[in-house]
Amino acid sequence: GAGVSQSPSNKVTEKGKDVELRCDPISGHTALYWYRQRLGQGLEFLIYFQGNSAPDKSGLPSDRFSAERTGESVSTLTIQRTQQEDSAVYLCASSLIPGVDNEKLFFGSGTQLSVL
Amino acid sequence: AQTVTQSQPEMSVQEAETVTLSCTYDTSESDYYLFWYKQPPSRQMILVIRQEAYKQQNATENRFSVNFQKAAKSFSLKISDSQLGDAAMYFCAYPSGTYKYIFGTGTRLKVLA
Repeated sequence: GAGVSQSPSNKVTEKGKDVELRCDPISGHTALYWYRQRLGQGLEFLIYFQGNSAPDKSGLPSDRFSAERTGESVSTLTIQRTQQEDSAVYLCASSLIPGVDNEKLFFGSGTQLSVL
Repeated sequence: AQTVTQSQPEMSVQEAETVTLSCTYDTSESDYYLFWYKQPPSRQMILVIRQEAYKQQNATENRFSVNFQKAAKSFSLKISDSQLGDAAMYFCAYPSGTYKYIFGTGTRLKVLA
């Protein structure tokens, strides 16, 4: 696609429910990143994919969070038994060449998750 | 540990004037890159400018330029001739290792007509 696409744009859920957030990276981008942005704060690294492998899951805040990626395509971030503190914007980014520290990240518009 | 600090939660600038956003970072590495990203209300982060630490010359992109002071670990963003469309959150970022970008807490820029 022309850019990184995330869906849904907004999600309101009840505490205790599971949610799935989707990210479609730019075609051909091997690296994919998930970040969390709480209100008024910076971006918090969650997980990084190189192809469909996730060499670093250290940013996932708890075992309620999981993510997977199909090949070098779509990624889903799943949050089980959502809690109010999970409310945030979840941003996905992709880049062409993984492991290059000057590589520009291309971001989606994020999913605003609100847990009631 | 690598950190990125933006000490100005909010800044205001008059249209057509110049504003400087501050960023400091901490790293033990000698060669690295630094980035400024802009986040408008649409939430999509957009790369504004990047600096290579081994280059003495400050990066410039049209109205945007940086003041990079490597010894002081300072990386400020200067916006000249500010426009209404510049209003956004601005984040300073540093790639820790090969893929884990560390972002500051952001500066909200307001542009006054």
